[in-house]
Amino acid sequence: GQSLEQPSEVTAVEGAIVQINCTYQTSGFYGLSWYQQHDGGAPTFLSYNALDGLEETGRFSSFLSRSDSYGYLLLQELQMKDSASYFCAVRDDTDKLIFGTGTRLQVFP
Amino acid sequence: DGGITQSPKYLFRKEGQNVTLSCEQNLNHDAMYWYRQDPGQGLRLIYYSQIVNDFQKGDIAEGYSVSREKKESFPLTVTSAQKNPTAFYLCASTPIGTSGRNEQFFGPGTRLTVL
Repeated sequence: GQSLEQPSEVTAVEGAIVQINCTYQTSGFYGLSWYQQHDGGAPTFLSYNALDGLEETGRFSSFLSRSDSYGYLLLQELQMKDSASYFCAVRDDTDKLIFGTGTRLQVFP
Repeated sequence: DGGITQSPKYLFRKEGQNVTLSCEQNLNHDAMYWYRQDPGQGLRLIYYSQIVNDFQKGDIAEGYSVSREKKESFPLTVTSAQKNPTAFYLCASTPIGTSGRNEQFFGPGTRLTVL
């Protein structure tokens, strides 16, 4: 079956750095994406990796290793507003997005 | 303003009733999707459509039906056959051809509660 595994919860303090890991097993692979979802809200797109390596977008970076079927989202200089759930997603060979189970990030002052 | 709208935001239904959730987009996107999200869970795909008058089942299509008569609209009907319909329903869209970024645009969601 298809699966994307993420830690269920991560906690950190303001100003810290946190890494959210994602390992995937899918039929086909056409890129790894990350989405942020605040409680009660809709997911919003954060980043995308098609090739191995690190992509940086402001305080957020995302990494991919296709040989390891692994990626991570790195959040730096954490702020209270970063408290949310974060989902990794892979596009498979049927052009669908498969979402991970989500990681709930709690940032404390 | 371009975007995706879903209505209503909150919906209550009695057991045994069918209910239709609305999803409209003015982004001129070709593909549209319906997801279900349960508390503390990820998004599970119900149905998707990549072109008008065509749609495919997702992973949890049983008890749901859709139509795609217009590019802008992709309503979802939750039928009485759906055993446990209480959930948060999200509609999304993406343009075909530029989906290489795997970027889907989501509506605000409809929270359905069966009484």
